Amino acid sequence: QKEVEQNSGPLSVPEGAIASLNCTYSDRGSQSFFWYRQYSGKSPELIMSIYSNGDKEDGRFTAQLNKASQYVSLLIRDSQPSDSATYLCAVRELTFGTGTRLTIIP
Amino acid sequence: KAGVTQTPRYLIKTRGQQVTLSCSPISGHRSVSWYQQTPGQGLQFLFEYFSETQRNKGNFPGRFSGRQFSNSRSEMNVSTLELGDSALYLCASSLGGTGNQPQHFGDGTRLSIL
Repeated sequence: QKEVEQNSGPLSVPEGAIASLNCTYSDRGSQSFFWYRQYSGKSPELIMSIYSNGDKEDGRFTAQLNKASQYVSLLIRDSQPSDSATYLCAVRELTFGTGTRLTIIP
Repeated sequence: KAGVTQTPRYLIKTRGQQVTLSCSPISGHRSVSWYQQTPGQGLQFLFEYFSETQRNKGNFPGRFSGRQFSNSRSEMNVSTLELGDSALYLCASSLGGTGNQPQHFGDGTRLSIL
């Protein structure tokens, strides 16, 4: 079992809709979780950190963490074409999933 | 605040050669990590340095090595280059104290092996 698993996609979402990205992890002792966005040809950039169970909101982005079920998700509300990118989930500092490619359809 | 700086941005080498990549972290960051990214394999962790010591290591052969200097700058060396080493090499820095800090990535070095 991989340490961090993500659906590779591609995930296609109409403009203005909610995009939902999911990530599961295997280490129950993990304390920190991160979402990165990577545009094609660019390096990953941090968009959200979450450390406690529940929801954390930042603008159009909401990260959700459920440690009992070992999953973390990212919701993007009012999706824009500029949100089209690959989204990487990371557990602790160094363990990354393979990423989900998201395409927002105008 | 300046971001993570990687040099060079592009490199072309031939099989059997060796290469050294450089990374300057964000000021105050003591942890530097290196990753290899290829289209098929995603982001693969190479190693992490904290206070000049290798703290974590991924599953790469011994041809891949690194070091960190007292000013937190880091270098990665790959010897006896193979075609499969063609990839984007990313460096990331963090404060690094607890192991629970987010990573900040440089723009990467794109290495092509002919």
